[in-house]
Amino acid sequence: GENVEQHPSTLSVQEGDSAVIKCTYSDSASNYFPWYKQELGKGPQLIIDIRSNVGEKKDQRIAVTLNKTAKHFSLHITETQPEDSAVYFCAASRFYGGSQGNLIFGKGTKLSVKP
Amino acid sequence: DVKVTQSSRYLVKRTGEKVFLECVQDMDHENMFWYRQDPGLGLRLIYFSYDVKMKEKGDIPEGYSVSREKKERFSLILESASTNQTSMYLCASSLSHSGNTGELFFGEGSRLTVL
Repeated sequence: GENVEQHPSTLSVQEGDSAVIKCTYSDSASNYFPWYKQELGKGPQLIIDIRSNVGEKKDQRIAVTLNKTAKHFSLHITETQPEDSAVYFCAASRFYGGSQGNLIFGKGTKLSVKP
Repeated sequence: DVKVTQSSRYLVKRTGEKVFLECVQDMDHENMFWYRQDPGLGLRLIYFSYDVKMKEKGDIPEGYSVSREKKERFSLILESASTNQTSMYLCASSLSHSGNTGELFFGEGSRLTVL
């Protein structure tokens, strides 16, 4: 089955710096890679996702890149702000039988942005 | 606005007690999920359901059961709570239509402590 590794487990940056979180996956059939953000006391929320037919996707200050050959994908946050402090989870899944398979999550990265 | 509501944010139970965690979604989603979140282990799938009265085991079903009698409600049951089930429990839902990204909408979590 799929296995998703996520690094680093904790990340501390100064406000305004960039943050990068990396994930690798094992199942070459995986074709959908979302990122979830979990703020303190709340459930995870989807912030960006990418499909395997796309190499990069951006949404304002966040971007995700995918390298299918190496089976890894990364989350990039530029110009970090204190409100970016949260736990971030990567995940992977694939379509089969016309439906999206269950997501397999990484173990999470706790990002702290220092003012 | 989409909403997944978990009835109890905090519970304290004793070893051997039967525990019910309730989850309700108001989005008419077909799929519902129960995850367990532990530090350093990320999100692990316990059970999920694709339809009323249907259930499927996830990655860590041992010691748990579920019930889905109505489309909007998904219950997690600990038949005889043990200390190693002390954890944060997250409920989620998603649409089931073919081609859907499978975005998960999470509740805010139920923190269970078993003494």
